[in-house]
Amino acid sequence: NAGVMQNPRHLVRRRGQEARLRCSPMKGHSHVYWYRQLPEEGLKFMVYLQKENIIDESGMPKERFSAEFPKEGPSILRIQQVVRGDSAAYFCASSRDRGNQPQHFGDGTRLSIL
Amino acid sequence: QKEVEQDPGPLSVPEGAIVSLNCTYSNSAFQYFMWYRQYSRKGPELLMYTYSSGNKEDGRFTAQVDKSSKYISLFIRDSQPSDSATYLCAMSEDSGAGSYQLTFGKGTKLSVIP
Repeated sequence: NAGVMQNPRHLVRRRGQEARLRCSPMKGHSHVYWYRQLPEEGLKFMVYLQKENIIDESGMPKERFSAEFPKEGPSILRIQQVVRGDSAAYFCASSRDRGNQPQHFGDGTRLSIL
Repeated sequence: QKEVEQDPGPLSVPEGAIVSLNCTYSNSAFQYFMWYRQYSRKGPELLMYTYSSGNKEDGRFTAQVDKSSKYISLFIRDSQPSDSATYLCAMSEDSGAGSYQLTFGKGTKLSVIP
């Protein structure tokens, strides 16, 4: 999946710590989506951002989760006070424009909570 | 009833076979339909992107959409061992905020045996 870069690829945290996941969209893309893939579950939408704006966070858990996409730098998904249930693969996708454009995915960050 | 239903398989076929993958959905507001391929430990890779009912062909892949039946299919001709992966159907609509978040099926795991 050339283009959308996510790091780290693997992240291990202990319960109660913070996790920060980063996503750099494809060149020329200014729209970012975050999805979560729990074990044995399908990909679930979390949040949609444009530069400096959260457009749709209807899929985000109400507590501990936040996202940003600053004017400069990557988009960040932040999980505070992680719990075992946060263990999942987190994928970022980017698209070129607002509206219905194909979304291209990165290879994800696999978060493991000890 | 889940929004998008997809048989998880696993599906095992001999090399050269025609593969048929299917999804049904319940939300008549879905307008855009996609198929992604996901290799183990990788992100989803966009294969096909369609809007209207009917067929769309790209090489060995044909995507079929029947909006009246709320049913989409992906056909793979002359299947190859390199096609072994999990295939995800995805759909989107305008959530009202300009967010075309994707709703995914759980994926069908395909193995093509040499």
